[in-house]
Amino acid sequence: GAGVSQSPSNKVTEKGKDVELRCDPISGHTALYWYRQSLGQGLEFLIYFQGNSAPDKSGLPSDRFSAERTGGSVSTLTIQRTQQEDSAVYLCASSLAPPLTAPNTEAFFGQGTRLTVV
Amino acid sequence: AQTVTQSQPEMSVQEAETVTLSCTYDTSENNYYLFWYKQPPSRQMILVIRQEAYKQQNATENRFSVNFQKAAKSFSLKISDSQLGDTAMYFCAFRKRSNDYKLSFGAGTTVTVRA
Repeated sequence: GAGVSQSPSNKVTEKGKDVELRCDPISGHTALYWYRQSLGQGLEFLIYFQGNSAPDKSGLPSDRFSAERTGGSVSTLTIQRTQQEDSAVYLCASSLAPPLTAPNTEAFFGQGTRLTVV
Repeated sequence: AQTVTQSQPEMSVQEAETVTLSCTYDTSENNYYLFWYKQPPSRQMILVIRQEAYKQQNATENRFSVNFQKAAKSFSLKISDSQLGDTAMYFCAFRKRSNDYKLSFGAGTTVTVRA
């Protein structure tokens, strides 16, 4: 696609329910990142996928959060048993090559999913 | 861990004037990259400018320029001839030059350009 696509754009869910957020990266981009942006805060790293390598999950805040990337393309971030503190904008980004081999490769961001837990 | 601090939550500037956003960071690394990202109301993050720490020359992209002071760990962004379309939230970000792909972001500065 022309850019990173995220869906849904907005999601309101009840506390305790599970949600799935989708990210469609730019075609051919091998690296994919998830960030969380809470109100008034900067971006918090959640998880990183690169090709077929094991993802770096070090930023996931709890075991209620998980993510997968199927076929090296689309990624889904799942939040189980949502809590009010999970309310935030979830941003996905992709890049052409891992920073290991191309340090100047910038990350392109989607428009994010605004999650509201009520 | 790297810490990125943006001490100005909000800035307001008259159209055509200049505004400077501050950013400081804390790191023990010698080689790294610094970035300014713009996030308009559409929420889409856009890279404005990047600086490589091993380059002394300050980066410039059209009306955007930076003042990189490595010893002071300061990385300010100057927006010249401000335009209404510059209204957005601006984030300063840091990444090591080595095998670390995580971008560390500051809390952001909301810039409002007044007509």
